[in-house]
Amino acid sequence: AQSVTQLDSHVSVSEGTPVLLRCNYSSSYSPSLFWYVQHPNKGLQLLLKYTSAATLVKGINGFEAEFKKSETSFHLTKPSAHMSDAAEYFCVVSGSGYSTLTFGKGTMLLVSP
Amino acid sequence: GAGVSQSPSNKVTEKGKDVELRCDPISGHTALYWYRQSLGQGLEFLIYFQGNSAPDKSGLPSDRFSAERTGGSVSTLTIQRTQQEDSAVYLCASSLVGSGSNEQFFGPGTRLTVL
Repeated sequence: AQSVTQLDSHVSVSEGTPVLLRCNYSSSYSPSLFWYVQHPNKGLQLLLKYTSAATLVKGINGFEAEFKKSETSFHLTKPSAHMSDAAEYFCVVSGSGYSTLTFGKGTMLLVSP
Repeated sequence: GAGVSQSPSNKVTEKGKDVELRCDPISGHTALYWYRQSLGQGLEFLIYFQGNSAPDKSGLPSDRFSAERTGGSVSTLTIQRTQQEDSAVYLCASSLVGSGSNEQFFGPGTRLTVL
């Protein structure tokens, strides 16, 4: 069994300040972990993924995430927020072999000028 | 190249009617997934296809829901005797193979409203 907990339903930041979106996971297997982003009325887009290679994963648009097995965490960060980053972000876990994705409830990122 | 497409983009129906939602995956992707996104429930897995077979139907919420895939390509999700609680955005995704580490590419979704 696998599960994902996104610790914040909403995060508000000012443009130019750092972003931290928190995610904890639970998995019986060596997990693959993903962050997806969903802009309003748009489909889900992959930001980055971890699949047991480097623990620090760099994604698109300046986002990165660090896999910490001891903390069962996969937090998403960005040094400087941009207005276009305002969207809903989903942390996702998948087990080994064939596995469906298990989504967190999502974190809405709000960016103010 | 073309991504995952879904039709219709919006569907409004009356309670009790049947609806069909269509998904065209990325060409060459053998794995296809249906999810449902509703307020307060997040994203829920419905069904997974590998080729034309569905090894995992565990997410279908009731026997009113069914899906098929033909020719290893297009998939149709059918909801019979729709209920108001079926209102949601239905998302389709495909991946090259059905491996957990493979990126799933999502379509834009079909927004279903049951009146």
